[in-house]
Amino acid sequence: EIVMTQSPATLSVSPGERATLSCRASQSVSSNLAWYQQKPGQAPRLLIYGASTRATGIPARFSGSGSGTEFTLTISSLQSEDFAVYYCQQYNNWLLFGQGTKLEIK
Amino acid sequence: EVQLVESGGGLVQPGGSLRLSCAASGFTFSSYDMHWVRQATGKGLEWVSAIGTAGDTYYPGSVKGRFTISRENAKNSLYLQMNSLRAGDTAVYYCARGRVGGSGSYLDWYFDLWGRGTLVTVSS
Repeated sequence: EIVMTQSPATLSVSPGERATLSCRASQSVSSNLAWYQQKPGQAPRLLIYGASTRATGIPARFSGSGSGTEFTLTISSLQSEDFAVYYCQQYNNWLLFGQGTKLEIK
Repeated sequence: EVQLVESGGGLVQPGGSLRLSCAASGFTFSSYDMHWVRQATGKGLEWVSAIGTAGDTYYPGSVKGRFTISRENAKNSLYLQMNSLRAGDTAVYYCARGRVGGSGSYLDWYFDLWGRGTLVTVSS
């Protein structure tokens, strides 16, 4: 079974700075990876699919990269509304989510 | 407005049953594969079940044989019948719209629309 590992568990970044979140798969998932944002008390929101394609309405400051086992979500200039928990999900072999990275204000 | 709205959550005793509903609006419900995803308090997301447009169903081992997903296209509604509930089933249950990812694998979806969730608590 594939294991999805996100790091770090918590990331502290100042508004306006760049945030880089990592997702690692225990075996290759090709580019079959999505990223979601979840704010407290809210449902997850799709940000990225196919490892690098932004979903409809997602700002350009969000970008995804990687393939195989190593993936990155980059938020180029953090806005106040970006502080949330981020999850990756692979759909190459079963449907599995990572445990999340909490992005908090520094 | 494109949205999903869940209902039917609540407190149930171990071994009991509960039926969740999800009302879809703003899109052609019958054209999409639909899913349930759950999240225990303070935990990550876990896929629970899927139903295709043709009524084909899929489950992980943790709920197979206990949960049944169904849909009623005429009512734009998705359901999850949960039987033999356990404490470990306690979670917020989200209804989600699936999009085929293109991996070609047996389960090949990401989720582009989510409801706000309904809380299921299994406790005596």
